[in-house]
Amino acid sequence: NFMLTQPHSVSESPGKTVTISCTRSSGSIASNYVQWYQQRPGSSPTTVIYEDNQRPSGVPDRFSGSIDSSSNSASLTISGLKTEDEADYYCQSYDSSPLWVFGGGTKLTVL
Amino acid sequence: QVQLVQSGAEVKKPGASVKVSCKASGYTFTGYYMHWVRQAPGQGLEWMGRINPNSGGTNYAQKFQGRVTMTRDTSISTAYMELSRLRSDDTAVYYCARDPNSSPSSWGQGTLVTVSS
Repeated sequence: NFMLTQPHSVSESPGKTVTISCTRSSGSIASNYVQWYQQRPGSSPTTVIYEDNQRPSGVPDRFSGSIDSSSNSASLTISGLKTEDEADYYCQSYDSSPLWVFGGGTKLTVL
Repeated sequence: QVQLVQSGAEVKKPGASVKVSCKASGYTFTGYYMHWVRQAPGQGLEWMGRINPNSGGTNYAQKFQGRVTMTRDTSISTAYMELSRLRSDDTAVYYCARDPNSSPSSWGQGTLVTVSS
């Protein structure tokens, strides 16, 4: 079993770029796909990145995902920040059991 | 477009059971695993298990083994999650979520289950 560790919170100004990390505790980050979900207050999660770096249709290209094997982590980068990006972000990957592993979530504040 | 519509909020007493439904549309229901995830108030996301709508086969998180049952009715493209012997710490929003499988995961709107005496 492994854990995914995210920063509890990040903040940045509108128009800037922010990166949220997701570090895998054991095993290679590259061995299983990583998804990123955005959850606004009172709403269900929506996918902003799937399969490490794929962006669903309708998600702005300001959102990008990457994998770094040297730090064994995945990253979600949001450029040109907008106030509407303020939300909780969760990374998710796969294990044998539990099958889905979530990071603890990162609260993004755009101020 | 893919849509998952869940049943409405429930209030249950400790020891009771709850069954939440998730009706799928916009894709081939039997082509994707369906997962169930819950979120306690102010907390993160917790995976509960999944069902293969094609075969009915299930995988449950160890934490919920013996208390959770996931089923499906392919005739109406609906998945179900039943949780028994409810406790106060089962109070949460329960989500169904379609497995990614080369396309983005879609989630239901969530069902609030409140366990209170």
